[in-house]
Amino acid sequence: SAVISQKPSRDICQRGTSLTIQCQVDSQVTMMFWYRQQPGQSLTLIATANQGSEATYESGFVIDKFPISRPNLTFSTLTVSNMSPEDSSIYLCSAGRQGNEQFFGPGTRLTVL
Amino acid sequence: EDQVTQSPEALRLQEGESSSLNCSYTVSGLRGLFWYRQDPGKGPEFLFTLYSAGEEKEKERLKATLTKKESFLHITAPKPEDSATYLCAAQTGANNLFFGTGTRLTVIP
Repeated sequence: SAVISQKPSRDICQRGTSLTIQCQVDSQVTMMFWYRQQPGQSLTLIATANQGSEATYESGFVIDKFPISRPNLTFSTLTVSNMSPEDSSIYLCSAGRQGNEQFFGPGTRLTVL
Repeated sequence: EDQVTQSPEALRLQEGESSSLNCSYTVSGLRGLFWYRQDPGKGPEFLFTLYSAGEEKEKERLKATLTKKESFLHITAPKPEDSATYLCAAQTGANNLFFGTGTRLTVIP
């Protein structure tokens, strides 16, 4: 298994600002992902964070809005840019090895006013 | 279109009353069927992965089974600490997890 930490655990932000969420894994992993969980709903994949190259985004999510970095095999960041109240959600990082189970971090609860 | 549907949406059980949660899936190229438990305010906690029809896995009071169209999570003699939302997810060829909306389980003492 992998232990995943996220920072910050929660934040309240003003409309039009940006927030960067950090994800740290305690061991080297092949795959890292970012999900969004809106209130009362299930998880939706935003993108796959690729080490050393651009992230792979799912339909409906774009790099300008959700830039992602993955400088090495244990760390990734997700930025939520030019935020609006509709971006209020829980953002979750997950990690795993090719073809194996994914483990999740505790999430970052974002509120945009 | 890939789809994962869980039922029921919510389930209330008396302590010791066994039951099953259902996860129906329609995906192309299923690589694995995952079950997670999610407590309020926390990230999903991994429970099981099932890879082929007929496979079963157990952990304490939980047993997961898989057919070609659905998966079941059986809960035997549940306790209040089993109260949580249970999520299933289908893994496709791209290693993505496609999640259902979950079953919110409440076990009453």
